[in-house]
Amino acid sequence: GENVEQHPSTLSVQEGDSAVIKCTYSDSASNYFPWYKQELGKGPQLIIDIRSNVGEKKDQRIAVTLNKTAKHFSLHITETQPEDSAVYFCAAPQTGANNLFFGTGTRLTVIP
Amino acid sequence: NAGVTQTPKFRILKIGQSMTLQCTQDMNHNYMYWYRQDPGMGLKLIYYSVGAGITDKGEVPNGYNVSRSTTEDFPLRLELAAPSQTSVYFCASSYYGGGKETQYFGPGTRLLVL
Repeated sequence: GENVEQHPSTLSVQEGDSAVIKCTYSDSASNYFPWYKQELGKGPQLIIDIRSNVGEKKDQRIAVTLNKTAKHFSLHITETQPEDSAVYFCAAPQTGANNLFFGTGTRLTVIP
Repeated sequence: NAGVTQTPKFRILKIGQSMTLQCTQDMNHNYMYWYRQDPGMGLKLIYYSVGAGITDKGEVPNGYNVSRSTTEDFPLRLELAAPSQTSVYFCASSYYGGGKETQYFGPGTRLLVL
């Protein structure tokens, strides 16, 4: 099945700085890459996703970039705010199946 | 529109006991999923369903059973609880499958097996 690796496992930034989280995947046929945010005590919630026909997608302060050749994609958060503090998961689907394979998560802490 | 709801929120089980984790969605989604989340390990798929009456195994199905008698409900059954099943369990749903559409997660059930 798909293998998704995520780095770093923890990340601390000052409020207003940028944060970048990176993921690599193994299945070259994968074509959908979502990012989920999990706040304390809650279930994950989709914040942005990208499909393989585009290289970058933005939504206000968050963006995702995709490099299909290198098989990696990244989440970029600019002008970080304390409410961005959470655990972020990347994911990729297994070709021909209904599974989503998740990375191991990045705990982001934004220091006021 | 409540989305995905799960009960209970927290449960302590003794080794060998059984229990059912409940999951209900009101979005008329075809696909439903059960994940477990262990510290530092991300989410692992236990079972999923593509519609009423149809279920299939995910990555880590051993020790669990599921059923899907209606579109709305997808209960997860633990028959003989073991300490290795201590985890946080999330139910999710999506309209389409293939892992290519937004999955909506419930708030989770925290299970402790002692």
